Amino acid sequence: DSGVTQTPKHLITATGQRVTLRCSPRSGDLSVYWYQQSLDQGLQFLIQYYNGEERAKGNILERFSAQQFPDLHSELNLSSLELGDSALYFCASRRGVSNTGELFFGEGSRLTVL
Amino acid sequence: TQLLEQSPQFLSIQEGENLTVYCNSSSVFSSLQWYRQEPGEGPVLLVTVVTGGEVKKLKRLTFQFGDARKDSSLHITAAQPGDTGLYLCAGALVNRDDKIIFGKGTRLHILP
Repeated sequence: DSGVTQTPKHLITATGQRVTLRCSPRSGDLSVYWYQQSLDQGLQFLIQYYNGEERAKGNILERFSAQQFPDLHSELNLSSLELGDSALYFCASRRGVSNTGELFFGEGSRLTVL
Repeated sequence: TQLLEQSPQFLSIQEGENLTVYCNSSSVFSSLQWYRQEPGEGPVLLVTVVTGGEVKKLKRLTFQFGDARKDSSLHITAAQPGDTGLYLCAGALVNRDDKIIFGKGTRLHILP
């Protein structure tokens, strides 16, 4: 158990819909990362927050948005869903922003868009 | 364009054999990490290397960071079925420590 909790574990929805994925980081971790994992693209970095503020952005689509709340949990919002958005979405947390810090991953949220 | 290229993509070998997988880039990284991911789970950290030329050992696994900090390798001695999994390298670019990017991984299968 990494200490990172992601909900829901599985989600099936239709094209055009909107979903919210939730992440609770490990106790004491201020940094939250979101990744998208698909078979052909591997783990793609989406966005990172540190103590409530956005710190780094990756290849995140404009239809996607995220935020980190004062209690440090984070949400990833995916809207106008397309078939290609079907993937595993991982949240990871770590203490700070040190380049040697370990990322602790949740078990992921598997999104299926039909 | 993938910043971290991992090779091979797939590797299937017999138990007891040795193997090496690679993680290469044209960019310089302040650190590189290796993670292992099993089906249905998130990646789990194996090691972090920081200094160019650094070698770290974890039982039968040997990790090396290239002198120029652009590449890394993972060598497994006497592979066992329990080593089966997806091995991912991840790096923090110099001056972009916040952004941790991953390679696509090497899917390793050890046959008993």
